[in-house]
Amino acid sequence: GQQVMQIPQYQHVQEGEDFTTYCNSSTTLSNIQWYKQRPGGHPVFLIQLVKSGEVKKQKRLTFQFGEAKKNSSLHITATQTTDVGTYFCAGSGSGNTGKLIFGQGTTLQVKP
Amino acid sequence: NAGVMQNPRHLVRRRGQEARLRCSPMKGHSHVYWYRQLPEEGLKFMVYLQKENIIDESGMPKERFSAEFPKEGPSILRIQQVVRGDSAAYFCASSPPSGLGEQYFGPGTRLTVT
Repeated sequence: GQQVMQIPQYQHVQEGEDFTTYCNSSTTLSNIQWYKQRPGGHPVFLIQLVKSGEVKKQKRLTFQFGEAKKNSSLHITATQTTDVGTYFCAGSGSGNTGKLIFGQGTTLQVKP
Repeated sequence: NAGVMQNPRHLVRRRGQEARLRCSPMKGHSHVYWYRQLPEEGLKFMVYLQKENIIDESGMPKERFSAEFPKEGPSILRIQQVVRGDSAAYFCASSPPSGLGEQYFGPGTRLTVT
């Protein structure tokens, strides 16, 4: 079945450093979404990418969708302590049923 | 506009008992999804429902687990004869009528089986 792999599993950075998490799917995706989950919390939607090669920015966050629509990345510039949490990518397959396959997540720790 | 509501937030059951988890989607949303999250892991899709219909249950265990979304009332995820391995956080999410795009998650139900 469809699998979504995400690396790294954990990342510790000093406040002000950049951070990137990568997501790879075993199959072509119709779209990819990114979510953030704070410790003890629930996933919160960040963004959706639909088009091949799409790049979207939200303040210090940059999201990319690969040309083949099988990989994606999230890059955070100049991390802050408020960025702490686990970042998940989630892919929707070609059937586009709304069902999401989540990556394992990257947990970001930011040292002040 | 209330978000996705789940109850109870915490549920403790002994092995062999039944667990019932409830989810009320956001107002105007007709699509409900259930996910399971084990500690330190990602979310695993379980089931996708619309009102009175199961659209995709490919992630549901074949036995002991069932889900419904009746015409009236919340969606229910039911786990019969719980075992320790069922201990997890169960999240419900809802989405607008198109069924595509972002999903709004509830706060989750933390199930502990003793």
